[in-house]
Amino acid sequence: AQSVTQLGSHVSVSEGALVLLRCNYSSSVPPYLFWYVQYPNQGLQLLLKYTSAATLVKGINGFEAEFKKSETSFHLTKPSAHMSDAAEYFCAVSEGDTNAGKSTFGDGTTLTVKP
Amino acid sequence: ETGVTQSPTHLIKTRGQQVTLRCSSQSGHNTVSWYQQALGQGPQFIFQYYREEENGRGNFPPRFSGLQFPNYSSELNVNALELDDSALYLCASRVGTSGSNEQFFGPGTRLTVL
Repeated sequence: AQSVTQLGSHVSVSEGALVLLRCNYSSSVPPYLFWYVQYPNQGLQLLLKYTSAATLVKGINGFEAEFKKSETSFHLTKPSAHMSDAAEYFCAVSEGDTNAGKSTFGDGTTLTVKP
Repeated sequence: ETGVTQSPTHLIKTRGQQVTLRCSSQSGHNTVSWYQQALGQGPQFIFQYYREEENGRGNFPPRFSGLQFPNYSSELNVNALELDDSALYLCASRVGTSGSNEQFFGPGTRLTVL
């Protein structure tokens, strides 16, 4: 079975500050890991994904995440927050090609960016 | 290239009624997944269709059913609506069924059950 825990349902940072959103996963097989962003009244947009290549993954809008197998973590970071980064962020795990490749999502972290 | 579209945008139903939600997948995508996103929670996998057949299902009762058509568009049907079915329903499409393939999400249908 696979699961995702996102630590901190709300994170608030100042504009220009480091963004760190935490994600821990559980998977019975080598996982694929994803970060999505959701703006109000919109669907999910993929920020980045890990699929067993490089452990440091770069995504869109300056975000990156590092896969740490020993810590079962896949935290999302961005060096300098912009006001436009305010949104809901979801971490997801899929167990490769098993279970129809379905994704299991965390409960999300709301990022607030203060001017 | 047209992205994933869903209709309707919003829907209000009463308890016990039935509802059909529709999804048009992105061009070239043969797999469609449906998710339920309750307020304040992450999306939960309902089921997935690949080449017109259901090939994966989450922990949802049989009153949640679906179809996929030859053009790979899809419908989600929910019978005997309950208050807890109020949620945002998201459709996502991709190529094939590998978990490594990116899913593209539609904007969702907001269902309110009164």
